[in-house]
Amino acid sequence: GAVVSQHPSWVICKSGTSVKIECRSLDFQATTMFWYRQFPKQSLMLMATSNEGSKATYEQGVEKDKFLINHASLTLSTLTVTSAHPEDSSFYICSARDLLQGRNTGELFFGEGSRLTVL
Amino acid sequence: QKEVEQNSGPLSVPEGAIASLNCTYSDRGSQSFFWYRQYSGKSPELIMFIYSNGDKEDGRFTAQLNKASQYVSLLIRDSQPSDSATYLCAVSRLGGGNKLTFGTGTQLKVEL
Repeated sequence: GAVVSQHPSWVICKSGTSVKIECRSLDFQATTMFWYRQFPKQSLMLMATSNEGSKATYEQGVEKDKFLINHASLTLSTLTVTSAHPEDSSFYICSARDLLQGRNTGELFFGEGSRLTVL
Repeated sequence: QKEVEQNSGPLSVPEGAIASLNCTYSDRGSQSFFWYRQYSGKSPELIMFIYSNGDKEDGRFTAQLNKASQYVSLLIRDSQPSDSATYLCAVSRLGGGNKLTFGTGTQLKVEL
């Protein structure tokens, strides 16, 4: 299957700082990537859809000024958590669809996830 | 009503038994159905997907879909301790741009 890589896999930061998480499709091109957040013992909640070359589409209740998304190329999307606070501590997971392999199945390939802890 | 509902469990089965995981969904426009497995602290990995009513088998796994009842299930035969994980049901609708809506997951424990 297609490979999606996230970096960093975990990060600890102080309250008020900004954190950038990268999501890369390693062996395929992805015009669309999805950013999910998962709190302990809860399901994955879609935060936003990242579109290459255009603005991201945010889900209701997600602050676009706080969670900045940039999708500058067909293989890279970044999520920046600005002025992070302890309540932003969560597991952030990106996913992407292989334009060729996933076209008919709708299958999404997930990155390894990034665990953010804000002190 | 949640869009995708699953019993959170834990569901405990003995090694070698059949584990049955269930999921219901509310959106009748849902067209694609996925089962993901998630180990603690890891991201989800795809187990199976199904589109058509009926059964779909892949090794020890069988997905069952009943669109009339808005119900999808996953059967795991000959359960192994390594199958112990949280199983997430996800659905997407036609024209939904591959946006997946996830259930909260069912924790499965396979006991020796």
